[in-house]
Amino acid sequence: AQKITQTQPGMFVQEKEAVTLDCTYDTSDPSYGLFWYKQPSSGEMIFLIYQGSYDQQNATEGRYSLNFQKARKSANLVISASQLGDSAMYFCAMSPRRSNYQLIWGAGTKLIIKP
Amino acid sequence: GAVVSQHPSRVICKSGTSVKIECRSLDFQATTMFWYRQFPKKSLMLMATSNEGSKATYEQGVEKDKFLINHASLTLSTLTVTSAHPEDSSFYICSARDDSNNQPQHFGDGTRLSIL
Repeated sequence: AQKITQTQPGMFVQEKEAVTLDCTYDTSDPSYGLFWYKQPSSGEMIFLIYQGSYDQQNATEGRYSLNFQKARKSANLVISASQLGDSAMYFCAMSPRRSNYQLIWGAGTKLIIKP
Repeated sequence: GAVVSQHPSRVICKSGTSVKIECRSLDFQATTMFWYRQFPKKSLMLMATSNEGSKATYEQGVEKDKFLINHASLTLSTLTVTSAHPEDSSFYICSARDDSNNQPQHFGDGTRLSIL
């Protein structure tokens, strides 16, 4: 079965601290992509970061980095130096190659940054 | 960067009305677009995959006659909620995949549909 699991329904983090959002996945497809999206209360889905299953290095995009541990099937998102504007829902998603580009979504984590 | 325009952003209408939502890729061609429905505090639920020039592929449990999808061009897909009822009230969001590269799907800003 193909599945994404986000075990943290909600998190509170102090401003300027780093935060790690957990994501584990399950797929039998050897080729897949892993994504993180941010959804503020206004509703739009904002792409944050992408990791390919064959990528040798962990992806980084500014304050976002993806801690990709293939053997453990985990793809945690790390946000460094959190800001108040980081408060949002965060979704982990996977796109197996054989899925015709469909995304399989996790349940999401609601992140609240405290001033 | 690539932009997907979704219109309208908010619709309030009476029960029995049909509502059309547009999803347009502004600066790239998209053979494949996706329509999602999102309930409050829940993840995105894929409704259907929209394919340019052919019939959409619906997920199990999604009524084809209720949610009509048309993808007549490489930059536009429409979702029509026919004879909408209060239970159809939800947040609908589309995404599009750029044919020219392997970039992630780009999302519209969503449509909040309220049926009275």
